[in-house]
Amino acid sequence: GNSVTQMEGPVTLSEEAFLTINCTYTATGYPSLFWYVQYPGEGLQLLLKATKADDKGSNKGFEATYRKETTSFHLEKGSVQVSDSAVYFCALSESGGSEKLVFGKGTKLTVNP
Amino acid sequence: DTEVTQTPKHLVMGMTNKKSLKCEQHMGHRAMYWYKQKAKKPPELMFVYSYEKLSINESVPSRFSPECPNSSLLNLHLHALQPEDSALYLCASSQDHKSANEKLFFGSGTQLSVL
Repeated sequence: GNSVTQMEGPVTLSEEAFLTINCTYTATGYPSLFWYVQYPGEGLQLLLKATKADDKGSNKGFEATYRKETTSFHLEKGSVQVSDSAVYFCALSESGGSEKLVFGKGTKLTVNP
Repeated sequence: DTEVTQTPKHLVMGMTNKKSLKCEQHMGHRAMYWYKQKAKKPPELMFVYSYEKLSINESVPSRFSPECPNSSLLNLHLHALQPEDSALYLCASSQDHKSANEKLFFGSGTQLSVL
């Protein structure tokens, strides 16, 4: 079946540090890939997405590239801020639609001033 | 209006109680979802409604009963819950759950505690 594996957290960084959160997936077909972010006490928000190989999703300084050859969708940001502290979920949708999204376990990021 | 509104934000109930969670969106979305999220875990899909009809039930116990009275509202009726049902219940919506490139809009959730 489809699955998503994220790097174990928590991740603690200082402000302006470089961020990478690894995500790899297993799926049949050609899934769409997503990163969702959950701030404390809130629901999830779509951060970025990519729907085909070599696509790069980007938003708010975050980027992730859909790598079919390595089945990966790693999240990166060049300079994190305290306000980026949240839990980040990698997810896939086999059909490309929003039904039956498969989420990774989430990675908690804490950014200290 | 790009919000999904959930009420109540917090709910404490006994195992013999009957309660309902409510979700509302006014974005014209035709797909609505219930997810369950345990602490420090990812959300797990429970139900999907598409055009007000139940499309997906992820083998959820019958003590959870969803209802979609109209295209803007989604309820989750709770009866005879167990303490292990304590979790954050998230509602979400999207334009159409079968479209490619779909984006889910999530509410802030109802934090449920079953005593």
